[in-house]
Amino acid sequence: GENVEQHPSTLSVQEGDSAVIKCTYSDSASNYFPWYKQELGKGPQLIIDIRSNVGEKKDQRIAVTLNKTAKHFSLHITETQPEDSAVYFCAASSTGNQFYFGTGTSLTVIP
Amino acid sequence: ETGVTQTPRHLVMGMTNKKSLKCEQHLGHNAMYWYKQSAKKPLELMFVYNFKEQTENNSVPSRFSPECPNSSHLFLHLHTLQPEDSALYLCASSQDFSGSGELFFGEGSRLTVL
Repeated sequence: GENVEQHPSTLSVQEGDSAVIKCTYSDSASNYFPWYKQELGKGPQLIIDIRSNVGEKKDQRIAVTLNKTAKHFSLHITETQPEDSAVYFCAASSTGNQFYFGTGTSLTVIP
Repeated sequence: ETGVTQTPRHLVMGMTNKKSLKCEQHLGHNAMYWYKQSAKKPLELMFVYNFKEQTENNSVPSRFSPECPNSSHLFLHLHTLQPEDSALYLCASSQDFSGSGELFFGEGSRLTVL
């Protein structure tokens, strides 16, 4: 099955700085890569996703890049704010199959 | 109510107890999932129901027994659990089991096994 690795496990940034979280995957059949944000006491919530036919996708301060050749994808958050503090999970899946999640990155934005 | 609702939010049980976790979704989705979330581990898929039929069972011990009476409700029956089963159990739903749609998660049921 698929194996998704996520780094770093913890990340602290000053408010206003950028944060980058990286994931690698092993199965070349994977074609859908979502990112979820989990705030304390809540369930994960989708914040952005990318499909294999696209190299980059942006939504306001959040962007995701995908390198299919190298089998890695990254989440970029610019102009970080305290409310961005949460645990972020990457995932990978292929059509008709389950999602495989990374181990999560705990992001702390220091005011 | 909207979204995915899980009850109870917290549960403490002994190893010989029988309890159940309940999940309800009001999104009109056809697929429902149980995930186990443990510290520093990936979200672990336990069961998937697609149109009320179980399609995935990832080698979950028989002390966990799912039930999906209709497309809006999902239960996880717990029996003779072990302390290592202590975790956050998340229910999720999606339009269908396609591997390419958004998962909508509940807030989870925090289970402690003594």
